[in-house]
Amino acid sequence: KAGVTQTPRYLIKTRGQQVTLSCSPISGHRSVSWYQQTPGQGLQFLFEYFSETQRNKGNFPGRFSGRQFSNSRSEMNVSTLELGDSALYLCASSGSILAGGEETQYFGPGTRLLVL
Amino acid sequence: GNSVTQMEGPVTLSEEAFLTINCTYTATGYPSLFWYVQYPGEGLQLLLKATKADDKGSNKGFEATYRKETTSFHLEKGSVQVSDSAVYFCALTSSQGGSEKLVFGKGMKLTVNP
Repeated sequence: KAGVTQTPRYLIKTRGQQVTLSCSPISGHRSVSWYQQTPGQGLQFLFEYFSETQRNKGNFPGRFSGRQFSNSRSEMNVSTLELGDSALYLCASSGSILAGGEETQYFGPGTRLLVL
Repeated sequence: GNSVTQMEGPVTLSEEAFLTINCTYTATGYPSLFWYVQYPGEGLQLLLKATKADDKGSNKGFEATYRKETTSFHLEKGSVQVSDSAVYFCALTSSQGGSEKLVFGKGMKLTVNP
């Protein structure tokens, strides 16, 4: 069974630009969550999508947004990039459609974003 | 709110040494508890989990027991290997309106020398 995939793996942008990151969950998983990992702040929750709806949101500015498609794939977008947005962005999927579901989140390899 | 406190390290051990990484939590309700591991340049891998009090999670020689009375989920391994060198994160689930997010500790970097 294929794991969570994220594209691109690496990205370099300049301040003021915008960026879109993509995440494909494990087949059958309906929930996709995004996390930001930085050396200073550690791992922080961005938002979670389930059945194309945002169910939960962390404490990030409105420049951070996301969406989920009918096939459960998700994208996150960061507009007007700032130097502090440089981070590893991790996507996780959960919520098997099998009976009983599955709350455990399985992570992708991440997208490393560098803002210059 | 819910939070996780864990040893931050870094810690350096010799191969075959005993490993303990302390993790305590603050939470309302009954969260599930997890240990994730991150190898250099990679994402997070689930190491083990426990969903209720007194449950023991185990995997690859690592063990952790969900202790409600002490609000702890300490990670242990009897004999570490060089390949265990990684960053270890303790985490819990925090529920809100049917959605569950992970709340992480700050992570502990472990280096195992041969």
